[in-house]
Amino acid sequence: GDSVTQMEGPVTLSEEAFLTINCTYTATGYPSLFWYVQYPGEGLQLLLKATKADDKGSNKGFEATYRKETTSFHLEKGSVQVSDSAVYFCALSDRRSGGSNYKLTFGKGTLLTVNP
Amino acid sequence: DADVTQTPRNRITKTGKRIMLECSQTKGHDRMYWYRQDPGLGLRLIYYSFDVKDINKGEISDGYSVSRQAQAKFSLSLESAIPNQTALYFCATSDLTPRLANEQFFGPGTRLTVL
Repeated sequence: GDSVTQMEGPVTLSEEAFLTINCTYTATGYPSLFWYVQYPGEGLQLLLKATKADDKGSNKGFEATYRKETTSFHLEKGSVQVSDSAVYFCALSDRRSGGSNYKLTFGKGTLLTVNP
Repeated sequence: DADVTQTPRNRITKTGKRIMLECSQTKGHDRMYWYRQDPGLGLRLIYYSFDVKDINKGEISDGYSVSRQAQAKFSLSLESAIPNQTALYFCATSDLTPRLANEQFFGPGTRLTVL
């Protein structure tokens, strides 16, 4: 079945440090890939997405590239801020043939804390 | 106003009680989902509904039931709550529009504590 594996946290960085959160996946079809972010006390919100191989999703300084050859979708940001402290979830939606299976499969989440 | 709302936001109850969590959406989406979030386990799918007449079990449906009262409303019930159902519960919606690629839109969550 589908699965998503992301690096375990917690991750603690200083402000302006470089961030990478690794995410790899297994899927039998042609997945779309997502990064969701959950700020303290809030629900999940989409950070970025990519729908096909070599697509790069970007938002708020974050980027991730859909790498089919390595089945990866690593999240990066060049200079993190205190306000980026949150839990980050990698997820996939496997668009199987027939079009009826559109569920999201999530990784376990990575807690990021950015200190001033 | 929020597109996906959940009530209540917090609930404390006792073992054996029946609990209903409600979700409403104004996005006009056909698809609705219920997830639970536990520390270190990410989000796990409880039930999902592709339209009012199409309801499906997710990976952890035991002990839960759902009702899709209308396109905009999807309720989750715990018939007899137990302590290991203490968790954060999220409702989500999505649309089949290819451009969205099954992007899901989440409510703010309901924190449920079962004593």
